[in-house]
Amino acid sequence: KAGVTQTPRYLIKTRGQQVTLSCSPISGHRSVSWYQQTPGQGLQFLFEYFSETQRNKGNFPGRFSGRQFSNSRSEMNVSTLELGDSALYLCASSHTGQGAQETQYFGPGTRLLVL
Amino acid sequence: QKEVEQDPGPLSVPEGAIVSLNCTYSNSAFQYFMWYRQYSRKGPELLMYTYSSGNKEDGRFTAQVDKSSKYISLFIRDSQPSDSATYLCAITSGGYNKLIFGAGTRLAVHP
Repeated sequence: KAGVTQTPRYLIKTRGQQVTLSCSPISGHRSVSWYQQTPGQGLQFLFEYFSETQRNKGNFPGRFSGRQFSNSRSEMNVSTLELGDSALYLCASSHTGQGAQETQYFGPGTRLLVL
Repeated sequence: QKEVEQDPGPLSVPEGAIVSLNCTYSNSAFQYFMWYRQYSRKGPELLMYTYSSGNKEDGRFTAQVDKSSKYISLFIRDSQPSDSATYLCAITSGGYNKLIFGAGTRLAVHP
């Protein structure tokens, strides 16, 4: 069974630009969560999608948005990039996302550098 | 105060040593406790999951939860160089997926 895939793996953007990251969950998984990982703040929850609906949201500004398609693939978008948005963006999938005992499987991440 | 505190290390030990990794948390509503391992340039992978206070063992790994002290630990016996990675504790109050992670402890096991 293929794991969670994320594209692109690396990205360089400049301040003020916008970026779209993609995540394909494990086949059969319908819940997709996004996390931001930085050396200073660690791993922080961005949002979670299930059946094309955002079900949960972390404490990030509105510049961070996402969506999920009918095939469970998800994208996240960051508009008006700031230097502080440089981070590893991780996507995780699980079957339904209901219940903490359901294992979340993480992808390798997209490393974004904002210059 | 962060909801989950974890010493970032780094922690360097010789091969074969017993490693102890710890986290403290502030909210007694947290019920589910996990340990993830993250190798360089990879996403985190789930190592252990526990719900109640007490110990849970899986091979060389033992997870311990003390809800009265809001303290969770991961012990690695007979540590190997392949255990060199960052270990992250993660906590959730249940319901939908929203994990709160510790800062992660970087572990190096040298031969």
